[in-house]
Amino acid sequence: DTGVSQDPRHKITKRGQNVTFRCDPISEHNRLYWYRQTLGQGPEFLTYFQNEAQLEKSRLLSDRFSAERPKGSFSTLEIQRTEQGDSAMYLCASRPETGILDEQFFGPGTRLTVL
Amino acid sequence: QKEVEQNSGPLSVPEGAIASLNCTYSDRVSQSFFWYRQYSGKSPELIMSIYSNGDKEDGRFTAQLNKASQYVSLLIRDSQPSDSATYLCAVKRGSTLGRLYFGRGTQLTVWP
Repeated sequence: DTGVSQDPRHKITKRGQNVTFRCDPISEHNRLYWYRQTLGQGPEFLTYFQNEAQLEKSRLLSDRFSAERPKGSFSTLEIQRTEQGDSAMYLCASRPETGILDEQFFGPGTRLTVL
Repeated sequence: QKEVEQNSGPLSVPEGAIASLNCTYSDRVSQSFFWYRQYSGKSPELIMSIYSNGDKEDGRFTAQLNKASQYVSLLIRDSQPSDSATYLCAVKRGSTLGRLYFGRGTQLTVWP
């Protein structure tokens, strides 16, 4: 399977715990995006990497959220001191450097439930 | 006003009919437009992209773009029960580095 992969697929945690999600983009894609989607809403942008550089962050990405892409390959998204409002599907998408359109391809997502 | 608005539905059509999904956007300098299909509990799947005014056809799907009216639509011909899903409209604005703005989605049900 050469698509975007995410791990874990599901995560249940207690409020106040830290969680970390991983995204492996399509191998030749150097651009990587994180989105969050809650029930009944479309995905909302969180952050964007081009190679290892984090070039854009949403205001949604509070101080409790941090994302990295240390070698320009996989990325991690960490949430510290989770809150019930963090319960959502966390989606990773990637796209190649070239191409006219900004076609982004999503991974299967990580569904987070904060109890 | 939201960046991207879709008629929330739900939209229900019989098998074999044409399903029409609509989307409007607020930023006039938006460059690229996408339709994603999302089955319940799954992630979005890209089905169409369009960036020039007019129609773009791919199999049973036709995307239509009218930049003057800031309007993009998706037509699904010969609708099948397997087309039952939520359809998300997404827009790339000209001023951003690639982030997409999504509508809330339109839930489509195709009944046999």
